Amino acid sequence: AQTVTQSQPEMSVQEAETVTLSCTYDTSESDYYLFWYKQPPSRQMILVIRQEAYKQQNATENRFSVNFQKAAKSFSLKISDSQLGDAAMYFCAYRSYGSSNTGKLIFGQGTTLQVKP
Amino acid sequence: DAGVTQSPTHLIKTRGQQVTLRCSPKSGHDTVSWYQQALGQGPQFIFQYYEEEERQRGNFPDRFSGHQFPNYSSELNVNALLLGDSALYLCASSLRGARQGGTYEQYFGPGTRLTVT
Repeated sequence: AQTVTQSQPEMSVQEAETVTLSCTYDTSESDYYLFWYKQPPSRQMILVIRQEAYKQQNATENRFSVNFQKAAKSFSLKISDSQLGDAAMYFCAYRSYGSSNTGKLIFGQGTTLQVKP
Repeated sequence: DAGVTQSPTHLIKTRGQQVTLRCSPKSGHDTVSWYQQALGQGPQFIFQYYEEEERQRGNFPDRFSGHQFPNYSSELNVNALLLGDSALYLCASSLRGARQGGTYEQYFGPGTRLTVT
């Protein structure tokens, strides 16, 4: 079975600075997707960024980028130029790839990010 | 374009009672997944519905059951409520397709906060 681990329960960053959130996962599959979701106090889970395991290039979405290390099974999220609105709980998630998969997401425990003005 | 909606927003029930939570998927989506998120934890997959059938189930007892209607909306039913069932229940919708590993991205609703006393 696949597992996702986020070892940083809480992180803090100064506004405009850069912060990196860590995520490791365990799987025997070769094809899969990895995601970072943001959950602000409003509770709505918002997709931040997605990485396909077969792509070597790291995904980037504006101020958000990932460092995907497939061999090490590591998937970290870097937030550049942090803004107050980035404060939220961040979840790393895994999804299998394949025609028979149902899209079930496996989440890590989450990292609470505090942004200091 | 309405996103995923869930009702009710909050619910308080007594141990032993039964509860029904409702979800309307994003327009154009045909698949609904349910997740349970305990306070301070990552969401846990309950089950997924497609074409009015349960397609995959997580590690949840039979007290948790669901239904999907012809208009793709879905219900989550929990019988014989336990104190441990207190959680945020998230609904996510997606479009099941032949490419991209079988499903497209999941979009989450705002959740229903269930408190069991």
